[in-house]
Amino acid sequence: NAGVTQTPKFQVLKTGQSMTLQCAQDMNHNSMYWYRQDPGMGLRLIYYSASEGTTDKGEVPNGYNVSRLNKREFSLRLESAAPSQTSVYFCASSEGAGMSNQPQHFGDGTRLSIL
Amino acid sequence: AQKITQTQPGMFVQEKEAVTLDCTYDTSDPSYGLFWYKQPSSGEMIFLIYQGSYDQQNATEGRYSLNFQKARKSANLVISASQLGDSAMYFCAMRVIYNQGGKLIFGQGTELSVKP
Repeated sequence: NAGVTQTPKFQVLKTGQSMTLQCAQDMNHNSMYWYRQDPGMGLRLIYYSASEGTTDKGEVPNGYNVSRLNKREFSLRLESAAPSQTSVYFCASSEGAGMSNQPQHFGDGTRLSIL
Repeated sequence: AQKITQTQPGMFVQEKEAVTLDCTYDTSDPSYGLFWYKQPSSGEMIFLIYQGSYDQQNATEGRYSLNFQKARKSANLVISASQLGDSAMYFCAMRVIYNQGGKLIFGQGTELSVKP
């Protein structure tokens, strides 16, 4: 039961470096999401993909880009990492954006530190 | 504005007792879903229970139940017969159709500690 798989689990970067966080789901879900979780806060939406071929900004998109590679995969890229992007990143998926009764299923998260 | 409020940063409960975690929400949309997630110290987000805005009955899933009071806009999580493994952060979240792809709006969480 893989569900939502995120890689890597941990990463340390220097300011200005770039990296891509990978996410894949095997539940045939249409919608995928990237959230960040900062200490003492709930999760905040960075970007989402309501369906294959579409991506849109969430609440905190600055400094990030995304790619919906196919129905299974949704990657998050930091082009020039900044210390403010130190956070735990979660990828999630659900059946459809228009289905408020469907839970989102989360990956295990990526702990990212920017020095 | 859509918002979730969890007013209890931390809670303690004795093992085998019941505990209620508070959650209030704010939305003008008539159709929405309310969710509770558990985040243990290992960090993953685990879906616990769901309540729809049009549901007449309170949701239950094993030891978890959701006390849904629509007029008061509250969706409290009740955990019966607490276990040591229930110690974790608990997040209340709301999902509104077509709001930024059906994103989840999270509260700040409640840290539950179960005492032996």
